[in-house]
Amino acid sequence: SSELTQDPAVSVALGQTVRITCQGDTLKTYYANWYQQRPGQAPVLVIFGKNNRPSGIPDRFSGSNSGNTASLTITGAQAEDEADFYCNSRDSSGNHLLFGGGTKLTVL
Amino acid sequence: QVQLQESGPGLMKPSETLSLTCTVSGVSISSGGYLWTWIRQHPGKGLEYVGYIYYSGTTYYSPSLKSRVSISRDTPRNTFTLKLLSLTAADTAVYYCARGATDSVMALDSWGQGTLVTVSP
Repeated sequence: SSELTQDPAVSVALGQTVRITCQGDTLKTYYANWYQQRPGQAPVLVIFGKNNRPSGIPDRFSGSNSGNTASLTITGAQAEDEADFYCNSRDSSGNHLLFGGGTKLTVL
Repeated sequence: QVQLQESGPGLMKPSETLSLTCTVSGVSISSGGYLWTWIRQHPGKGLEYVGYIYYSGTTYYSPSLKSRVSISRDTPRNTFTLKLLSLTAADTAVYYCARGATDSVMALDSWGQGTLVTVSP
């Protein structure tokens, strides 16, 4: 099916490592991209492709892929990382975009 | 540095047609390698793909909105425009324009700040 599934909420203690996952059949064909959205702000691309960070994104953000699952890992989570995270990829046709439902990350 | 800015009415009535424009600066929308997208976000909800226009002018629309949406461009003004027909309250959302790459990952690397559109009688 052309859907991307994310856990609705995840929490992590300050300074610890957290993994946010995204599942979908299309991830067997296409890499996922990850976006961070803080309240009231536009999304920001944090990981794209196999494991690429745009300029200005801290290296504590990393991406990985296995089968139909893509993961975003934050190593040493900071208070400012608290946000909603969305994965996206192409759909099975390759012509359209898909978004996961989003994961709310709480940093304790 | 690319910048995108949405503009358009913030309040619409049911059955009306929404027209939102995205003004792009820092890069030509007709230069190769990019697609120009519209994404929306219902209040308190996740991101929803609306559609995009390639640098070549080819368009793709979300299957769920295809019957009501169109995207066009004005290359001299370096803008692209979303039109959404037959509005209902369910179209109330923040609408974002964003730039995407035309490679296999289609990452959206630059976004506008978003504009809230409310559909109400």
